[in-house]
Amino acid sequence: NAGVTQTPKFQVLKTGQSMTLQCAQDMNHEYMSWYRQDPGMGLRLIHYSVGAGITDQGEVPNGYNVSRSTTEDFPLRLLSAAPSQTSVYFCASSQGTGYYNEQFFGPGTRLTVL
Amino acid sequence: GQQLNQSPQSMFIQEGEDVSMNCTSSSIFNTWLWYKQDPGEGPVLLIALYKAGELTSNGRLTAQFGITRKDSFLNISASIPSDVGIYFCAGREEYNFNKFYFGSGTKLNVKP
Repeated sequence: NAGVTQTPKFQVLKTGQSMTLQCAQDMNHEYMSWYRQDPGMGLRLIHYSVGAGITDQGEVPNGYNVSRSTTEDFPLRLLSAAPSQTSVYFCASSQGTGYYNEQFFGPGTRLTVL
Repeated sequence: GQQLNQSPQSMFIQEGEDVSMNCTSSSIFNTWLWYKQDPGEGPVLLIALYKAGELTSNGRLTAQFGITRKDSFLNISASIPSDVGIYFCAGREEYNFNKFYFGSGTKLNVKP
């Protein structure tokens, strides 16, 4: 099992550019989520999905879109990047959303928006 | 949104010392989690707590789910250099299983 994989590892964008951060898991997990991590602020939930075809907003969803067409993949789209979106992005997955479901995190994507 | 207050922000300790950190929330939680993050990596779960008053150990680590359900603490005994990293608390509110909230982290430095 590769677990949770994220690509790319690093990315530099110019303001206004769009891009998609990829996240995939091979554990057949229902629940997937995206977080951003900024210095001194911990992780903040951007969007999450409880299964294919179902997504919902987290704490900080503005400027980001997601979709979940398969169980394995949960891409995060930045439609028009802004410097405020410079951050480290983590994808996570867990078996389900009930009790006793541990979230497994990917290695992260470090994004810089100039 | 939900605010988790985690303290201290950072600690500098000598190898062999015990460490304690804690986290408080503004609402009642049904789950408390403690993660460790090494540089350049994603967080890794250390301990999960699901019941008020629950005390759980994982090797030299011990964590407790506070009785009020609004706090949790993590203790590390006899620290070693590989304990260096950032420790995060995280939790879920009582009636929302889908959203996890994270504290801002405690950066631990251990001097050999």
